[in-house]
Amino acid sequence: EDQVTQSPEALRLQEGESSSLNCSYTVSGLRGLFWYRQDPGKGPEFLFTLYSAGEEKEKERLKATLTKKESFLHITAPKPEDSATYLCAVPGNNAGNMLTFGGGTRLMVKP
Amino acid sequence: DSGVTQTPKHLITATGQRVTLRCSPRSGDLSVYWYQQSLDQGLQFLIQYYNGEERAKGNILERFSAQQFPDLHSELNLSSLELGDSALYFCASSVFSYGFQGGYTFGSGTRLTVV
Repeated sequence: EDQVTQSPEALRLQEGESSSLNCSYTVSGLRGLFWYRQDPGKGPEFLFTLYSAGEEKEKERLKATLTKKESFLHITAPKPEDSATYLCAVPGNNAGNMLTFGGGTRLMVKP
Repeated sequence: DSGVTQTPKHLITATGQRVTLRCSPRSGDLSVYWYQQSLDQGLQFLIQYYNGEERAKGNILERFSAQQFPDLHSELNLSSLELGDSALYFCASSVFSYGFQGGYTFGSGTRLTVV
């Protein structure tokens, strides 16, 4: 069974204090790893897809990296508006396109 | 606005009742997915439809059912509601049925409260 574990569950940072979020996965035959951002009461918003170990993607202050067992979301010099829950997910291996999500990391950036 | 429209935004109903949640996918998207998000379970996949046909099923309860209509909108029907069914229900859409060319696009969700 596919498993996705995110850590930490919650992270408090001061504005400008860089850090990393972790996503560990167990899946037979990785078909991609997805990162989403979710604001309270809203739907997840797609950030990145990574397909192979060693791949990196960047968007503003966020950079996602992938190894064979985990992915990291690095946040450089975060701002209060980066506060949100960050979710990672992997596709299942069934006929459809279901995603298995981790529990998320709730990031709070204080000014 | 993500382009995926969900109605209603909020729903409060009593135990034992039946409700219908509606989703209009982004223009051009043929696949619709339903997810449930509760505090203790996180985001859980319920069911996927592609161009009117059921394509994949997750841990969807027998009391729940869904369908996708010819105009591609989808409805999720929840019956014999229990307190534990209180959650956020999200719809997402994508162009493809299988194989990812990018992430899904999620709607803003329907918050269901069962009292």
